[in-house]
Amino acid sequence: KQEVTQIPAALSVPEGENLVLNCSFTDSAIYNLQWFRQDPGKGLTSLLLIQSSQREQTSGRLNASLDKSSGRSTLYIAASQPGDSATYLCAVHTGANSKLTFGKGITLSVRP
Amino acid sequence: DAGVTQSPTHLIKTRGQQVTLRCSPKSGHDTVSWYQQALGQGPQFIFQYYEEEERQRGNFPDRFSGHQFPNYSSELNVNALLLGDSALYLCASSFSEYGYTFGSGTRLTVV
Repeated sequence: KQEVTQIPAALSVPEGENLVLNCSFTDSAIYNLQWFRQDPGKGLTSLLLIQSSQREQTSGRLNASLDKSSGRSTLYIAASQPGDSATYLCAVHTGANSKLTFGKGITLSVRP
Repeated sequence: DAGVTQSPTHLIKTRGQQVTLRCSPKSGHDTVSWYQQALGQGPQFIFQYYEEEERQRGNFPDRFSGHQFPNYSSELNVNALLLGDSALYLCASSFSEYGYTFGSGTRLTVV
């Protein structure tokens, strides 16, 4: 059974700091991995999708890496801003059109 | 291009009642999945529909049922509501391996 862990549950950093959010999963036989952002009470916004054959994906100030063999992914946020404050969820996909298995998320607070 | 549309946005129901939530997938997507997200938790998979058939199901009781229509839109029905069914219900659509797009969710409160 695939399990996804995100630690810590919450993080508070000053504006401008570069930060790394971690995600680990127990079964390395994944199809792809997706990072999402969730604002309080809202739906999920997809940030980055990494296919199992890829090592990383970049979008603006965000960079996500994937190491399947060790069961880890990281989301790197450069020059954090107060608008980055949200919950960041990692989800793994074990096959084409299979379900997503989510971590509980990391709630990020960026202080002005 | 409209993304995933869910309705209603908020809903309050009484224990024992039945509820229907609706989802329109992103244009070009043929697969619809439903997730339940309790406060402070990650979304939990309920079921997935493809070609109007339930293709996969998570660990949810039979009180949770669904339907997919020929235009790929979907409904989630929950019967005999319990207080514990209070959650954010998320619909996600997808096409092949191109990742999931989520809607804004329906906040269900059972009183």
